[in-house]
Amino acid sequence: KQEVTQIPAALSVPEGENLVLNCSFTDSAIYNLQWFRQDPGKGLTSLLLIQSSQREQTSGRLNASLDKSSGRSTLYIAASQPGDSATYLCAVPRGGSNYKLTFGKGTLLTVNP
Amino acid sequence: SAVISQKPSRDICQRGTSLTIQCQVDSQVTMMFWYRQQPGQSLTLIATANQGSEATYESGFVIDKFPISRPNLTFSTLTVSNMSPEDSSIYLCSGKTALHGYTFGSGTRLTVV
Repeated sequence: KQEVTQIPAALSVPEGENLVLNCSFTDSAIYNLQWFRQDPGKGLTSLLLIQSSQREQTSGRLNASLDKSSGRSTLYIAASQPGDSATYLCAVPRGGSNYKLTFGKGTLLTVNP
Repeated sequence: SAVISQKPSRDICQRGTSLTIQCQVDSQVTMMFWYRQQPGQSLTLIATANQGSEATYESGFVIDKFPISRPNLTFSTLTVSNMSPEDSSIYLCSGKTALHGYTFGSGTRLTVV
């Protein structure tokens, strides 16, 4: 059974700081890993999708890495802004499936002005 | 990537009644899913919506409580039946695209009183 853990559960940083969010998963036989952002009471916005053959993906100030062998991914946010405040979720397809996602519980990020 | 329009965005319902949530995708997606997110929790998959046939439900979810329709590739509905306060959650639909991973609707925040 695939399990996804995200650390830390919550993070508060001053504006401008670089930060790293961590995601680990128990079954390394994944097709891909996806990072999402969720604002309070809202749906999910896809941030980055990393295929199993890739080691990292970048979009603007965001960089996500993937190490399948160790079952880990990190989301790096550079020069954080108050608008980055949200919950960040990582998700991987379940073991034996390439389409049913298992989500971590998320990291609640607060960026203080 | 695909954009999913989900409605209603929120509703307050009386216990014992039913609510139908709709999702419309602006382009074809290979698969569609329905999730529930209870307060303070991560996402839990309710079912996979299959085009033109009965949905595939996850353990703990049944068709009588959560009937789902998907008459074509771009539209699906989820009904929450005979609601109780325990059904108060955010409900999200999701579509899987060939190239961009998963995209989500904006969510329906349901409160049952």
